[in-house]
Amino acid sequence: EPEVTQTPSHQVTQMGQEVILRCVPISNHLYFYWYRQILGQKVEFLVSFYNNEISEKSEIFDDQFSVERPDGSNFTLKIRSTKLEDSAMYFCASSGPGLAGAETQYFGPGTRLLVL
Amino acid sequence: AQSVTQPDIHITVSEGASLELRCNYSYGATPYLFWYVQSPGQGLQLLLKYFSGDTLVQGIKGFEAEFKRSQSSFNLRKPSVHWSDAAEYFCAVGGRGSQGNLIFGKGTKLSVKP
Repeated sequence: EPEVTQTPSHQVTQMGQEVILRCVPISNHLYFYWYRQILGQKVEFLVSFYNNEISEKSEIFDDQFSVERPDGSNFTLKIRSTKLEDSAMYFCASSGPGLAGAETQYFGPGTRLLVL
Repeated sequence: AQSVTQPDIHITVSEGASLELRCNYSYGATPYLFWYVQSPGQGLQLLLKYFSGDTLVQGIKGFEAEFKRSQSSFNLRKPSVHWSDAAEYFCAVGGRGSQGNLIFGKGTKLSVKP
């Protein structure tokens, strides 16, 4: 069964450093998402991406964050200058190729980011 | 404001007992509703979803959920819990107008006693 994959599974970085989290969505999906889950808190939406541009973003997704689909398979989340409060589990999800909106989203296993 | 409430933070049931996890939502339009399960250290696995039609939906692992529009609820049930069901369960809501972003509840952690 197709699945969303994410690398790395764990990332430790120093405050102020740049990190890139990578995701390979399910191959025929067209809609891509990033969510995050701070330890002990709920899963929060960051950004959705379709047709090579951001569809929607939350207040969390400020100028420190960017997303990119550099090729036909990868979908990346970049945090330009990490802060302590960026420590969280980051989930990638994909959906489609059907309706836009909340077509069923399939989640990857997550990348646990720890900022020291 | 759009929101999802899971009133139970932690539930403990005995193996073989029945289970009901509560979920209430606030959403401006007809919602799409989902239950996801997260085992320790794992990602989010889709259990079941409701888009339209029959308000009782069946999912994987023997779970079911019932959409009750009048109560703005989408409770998850299982008639007989197995030890492997111990995990955290998240209810989520979304809709076509939202560009697809899901709104999650805070989750309910399920523990299973032998």
